[in-house]
Amino acid sequence: KAGVTQTPRYLIKTRGQQVTLSCSPISGHRSVSWYQQTPGQGLQFLFEYFSETQRNKGNFPGRFSGRQFSNSRSEMNVSTLELGDSALYLCASSLVSGLPSSGNTIYFGEGSWLTVV
Amino acid sequence: AQSVTQLDSQVPVFEEAPVELRCNYSSSVSVYLFWYVQYPNQGLQLLLKYLSGSTLVESINGFEAEFNKSQTSFHLRKPSVHISDTAEYFCAVSDNNAGNMLTFGGGTRLMVKP
Repeated sequence: KAGVTQTPRYLIKTRGQQVTLSCSPISGHRSVSWYQQTPGQGLQFLFEYFSETQRNKGNFPGRFSGRQFSNSRSEMNVSTLELGDSALYLCASSLVSGLPSSGNTIYFGEGSWLTVV
Repeated sequence: AQSVTQLDSQVPVFEEAPVELRCNYSSSVSVYLFWYVQYPNQGLQLLLKYLSGSTLVESINGFEAEFNKSQTSFHLRKPSVHISDTAEYFCAVSDNNAGNMLTFGGGTRLMVKP
């Protein structure tokens, strides 16, 4: 069974540009979450989507947005990139949202490394 | 609001020695606790989790963690580490109101030396 797949794995963008990152969850998983990982701020929650609806949002500016499609695949977009947006962006998926029971483990992908120059 | 504190940013240890990685959390509601491991250039892998029941939880590769409600701690231990355990370890907390949102600690880099 394939894991959480994120594309692209590495990318370099220029300040002011925008970027779109893609995440394909594990087959059958309907919840997708996004996290930003930086050396200074650590791992921070961006947002969660479940059944195409945003369920939770972290404390990030409106330049960060996301969406989920009917097949549960998700994209996140960052507009007007800043140098501080350089980070590893991690996608995670699980069967459902909430109730972290034994059957609702959250699985992470390997991430997309974004460098803003 | 929840928060997680991992008291040690780096823990150097010799191979076959025991290790404890400390994690304290702050939350006003009942929590679920997790330890994730991140190997270089990889994503996060779930190591173990506490949901309810027995306060001692174990992983398949010899790690264990004990939930201590009175001390709001969830320390990770291993009696004998291997070189292959070298990685960054993250403690995380969630609750019934958080959906799938995890709040992570700052991470502890475990460096196992031969």
